[in-house]
Amino acid sequence: AQKVTQAQTEISVVEKEDVTLDCVYETRDTTYYLFWYKQPPSGELVFLIRRNSFDEQNEISGRYSWNFQKSTSSFNFTITASQVVDSAVYFCALSEAPGNQFYFGTGTSLTVIP
Amino acid sequence: DAGITQSPRHKVTETGTPVTLRCHQTENHRYMYWYRQDPGHGLRLIHYSYGVKDTDKGEVSDGYSVSRSKTEDFLLTLESATSSQTSVYFCAISGPGPPGYTFGSGTRLTVV
Repeated sequence: AQKVTQAQTEISVVEKEDVTLDCVYETRDTTYYLFWYKQPPSGELVFLIRRNSFDEQNEISGRYSWNFQKSTSSFNFTITASQVVDSAVYFCALSEAPGNQFYFGTGTSLTVIP
Repeated sequence: DAGITQSPRHKVTETGTPVTLRCHQTENHRYMYWYRQDPGHGLRLIHYSYGVKDTDKGEVSDGYSVSRSKTEDFLLTLESATSSQTSVYFCAISGPGPPGYTFGSGTRLTVV
């Protein structure tokens, strides 16, 4: 069965601190895709990153970085030097093939305090 | 931005009334999905479509039906709304190539 776990329900950090959001997934497929989405207070869902199971390279995009480790079935997301605009709910998701449904974690609500 | 719109954006309805939410896309994508978002549950799949008149159930389909008579439109119907269906509903589309959703802006539905 597929499952995505985001154990951190809420996190608060002070501006400029680094923060890591955890994501652990379960799947029996050898081919799958992992995602992170951001949901700011305005409510829309914003795509951040997609990773396929064959690419374990870490990725960095500005202040955002992602650490994918198949050995621990984790796909963690780090925000460096957090800013107030990073305050949002972040969702991790898993999909196993084009057209297949996404399995979402329950989300982590991040609050960055100025 | 991808062309996907949901209507209405907000709706308040009474228990027992039928409600239809609309998702419209201009991307000609094959796959369309309806999710509901509830605190503590993340997003859960209600129904999805893989083509015109081809639909299937997701994990929380009870009390919902869907129709897709055109590529661009995917309708979600609550035949007889209940308070447990108070939620935020998101439509998503997915095209060819590696998986990736584009989401609509959501519909906030309140059943009183």
